[in-house]
Amino acid sequence: DTGVSQDPRHKITKRGQNVTFRCDPISEHNRLYWYRQTLGQGPEFLTYFQNEAQLEKSRLLSDRFSAERPKGSFSTLEIQRTEQGDSAMYLCASSRSGRLNEQFFGPGTRLTVL
Amino acid sequence: DQQVKQNSPSLSVQEGRISILNCDYTNSMFDYFLWYKKYPAEGPTFLISISSIKDKNEDGRFTVFLNKSAKHLSLHIVPSQPGDSAVYFCAASPDNQGGKLIFGQGTELSVKP
Repeated sequence: DTGVSQDPRHKITKRGQNVTFRCDPISEHNRLYWYRQTLGQGPEFLTYFQNEAQLEKSRLLSDRFSAERPKGSFSTLEIQRTEQGDSAMYLCASSRSGRLNEQFFGPGTRLTVL
Repeated sequence: DQQVKQNSPSLSVQEGRISILNCDYTNSMFDYFLWYKKYPAEGPTFLISISSIKDKNEDGRFTVFLNKSAKHLSLHIVPSQPGDSAVYFCAASPDNQGGKLIFGQGTELSVKP
């Protein structure tokens, strides 16, 4: 299966620690998206890449959040100085270029900040 | 500011009957709409989409209807099966913002045998 993969699937950390998540998109997809989902809500857009270029960042993405896609393949999302409000499911999706292409989602990384 | 709204948090339907899930949006810049299904502990899975130049799109048991004047879309599942039990998300894409999706809050569908 060559779907979108995310690692780790679960992360428990203490407030103030830094965490990093990884996403591997479908290989022929050059667009990669990060979303965050909290309980009872739909996914909320965070940022997206076209190849290695980060083209848009949501206002939800504070200065503590940084995302990279250095070679246009996998991507990392880092959260510095985690807060309890960062607890959520972090979802990665990928798609081909062009708007009218569906996004394929990974299984997500569930972050719990104690 | 919730631009995409699914006002029914849950829906229960008998197996074999029709399931109708509704979605309303406020932004007239949205021109592409999608439905995703999500099982627990999995990411959302794409179901069906519709462009604003159409008012209906059908794929097997799934049909999406779009009413642009009312800013409303609906997903019909006929006949409903127990395996359809999941959370369904409506999503919209603004035509000038690079393909990001704006999601509704989701509707949990339960199909009872």
